[in-house]
Amino acid sequence: DVKVTQSSRYLVKRTGEKVFLECVQDMDHENMFWYRQDPGLGLRLIYFSYDVKMKEKGDIPEGYSVSREKKERFSLILESASTNQTSMYLCASSLYGGPYEQYFGPGTRLTVT
Amino acid sequence: EDQVTQSPEALRLQEGESSSLNCSYTVSGLRGLFWYRQDPGKGPEFLFTLYSAGEEKEKERLKATLTKKESFLHITAPKPEDSATYLCAVPPGRGVNTGFQKLVFGTGTRLLVSP
Repeated sequence: DVKVTQSSRYLVKRTGEKVFLECVQDMDHENMFWYRQDPGLGLRLIYFSYDVKMKEKGDIPEGYSVSREKKERFSLILESASTNQTSMYLCASSLYGGPYEQYFGPGTRLTVT
Repeated sequence: EDQVTQSPEALRLQEGESSSLNCSYTVSGLRGLFWYRQDPGKGPEFLFTLYSAGEEKEKERLKATLTKKESFLHITAPKPEDSATYLCAVPPGRGVNTGFQKLVFGTGTRLLVSP
């Protein structure tokens, strides 16, 4: 079974703090993705990566950066957290070249106060 | 523009009352349609992949079907534990890099099954 894990289920941070969200997958997938999910807006892609040290912007990259130093690990960084970044953050992975179904982690509920 | 539209937004059923959820898509050259189940506060759980019109997949009380323009998720004799949000997604149309494939997600159908 594919397993995608995320470092925290719940996180509370203060405005202006630097926040790291980590994601690890154990299926040797090349592609990894970070989404945020908000009520009424669905899943929105922040960044994705198809190889170590490679990254591509998604639909809403502003205020975020990512790091992929190892194939199994993909980190999302909020350089200076703001209240509008309060959300559910989901990591996913898939195989390069298909099949294209993505496998998701359990999510991190981030609250920025 | 590639789009995925799910209906209804929300559906309330009595236990045992069968129904269907709809996912319509506009994408050229479909390379798979994916169904997910998402429980509150959790990540989406992959259910099915469908590749071609006429294809069907089943899992317990769920059956997914695919036509050239839409997919249906049929729920037969649902139970309260089937309550969840069901999402569908497709890869963008042909011409887009196929290696690191993003998915276009619908906004989901919230299903509530009452005992």
